[in-house]
Amino acid sequence: GQQVMQIPQYQHVQEGEDFTTYCNSSTTLSNIQWYKQRPGGHPVFLIQLVKSGEVKKQKRLTFQFGEAKKNSSLHITATQTTDVGTYFCAEPRGSTLGRLYFGRGTQLTVWP
Amino acid sequence: DTGVSQDPRHKITKRGQNVTFRCDPISEHNRLYWYRQTLGQGPEFLTYFQNEAQLEKSRLLSDRFSAERPKGSFSTLEIQRTEQGDSAMYLCASSLARQGITDTQYFGPGTRLTVL
Repeated sequence: GQQVMQIPQYQHVQEGEDFTTYCNSSTTLSNIQWYKQRPGGHPVFLIQLVKSGEVKKQKRLTFQFGEAKKNSSLHITATQTTDVGTYFCAEPRGSTLGRLYFGRGTQLTVWP
Repeated sequence: DTGVSQDPRHKITKRGQNVTFRCDPISEHNRLYWYRQTLGQGPEFLTYFQNEAQLEKSRLLSDRFSAERPKGSFSTLEIQRTEQGDSAMYLCASSLARQGITDTQYFGPGTRLTVL
């Protein structure tokens, strides 16, 4: 089953508004990855966070890893219609960290 | 295009039939993964290979499912005696595993299976 809880499940915003999705785990994560899946598409890797308290930015996207490495967030500033899609966090598991356990995702809709 | 490719993209079959899907990874990648995704859910891990060796297999994977990667390049996923509950998108991903670093997985477009 899925190990990471992701909220909210759906988010509808007006273009230009900000958006945040949260990922929570009951256990300490070795690292966490974020993926984006466009409607009808496949998951595309966005970023990996490894260090406690890490913050990484990609243009309008800001990714954070909690101090306790049990939660993470993705924040999009001033959403655009191209941001539409489902955003997943994923936890690598297994002896070689080969398995990815995905959250349920947050489906983002952006109204023009 | 040197990305991950999957064939077929769509498959409609009747309950009880066998189906086989193929995945061609990015050429230099040594790891290959299979996931299943249903509507409204994230991808669910099924199994993965490093070169030709199947390293892990989900406990959720029934005996009707089998995967191979005979030469460490392409892989096939076979489902025997399909059931309606097998209807899903089957995603393949590949990566280049490097020691001590969690590898980035690159996903293919998927094969959508519909079991009638």
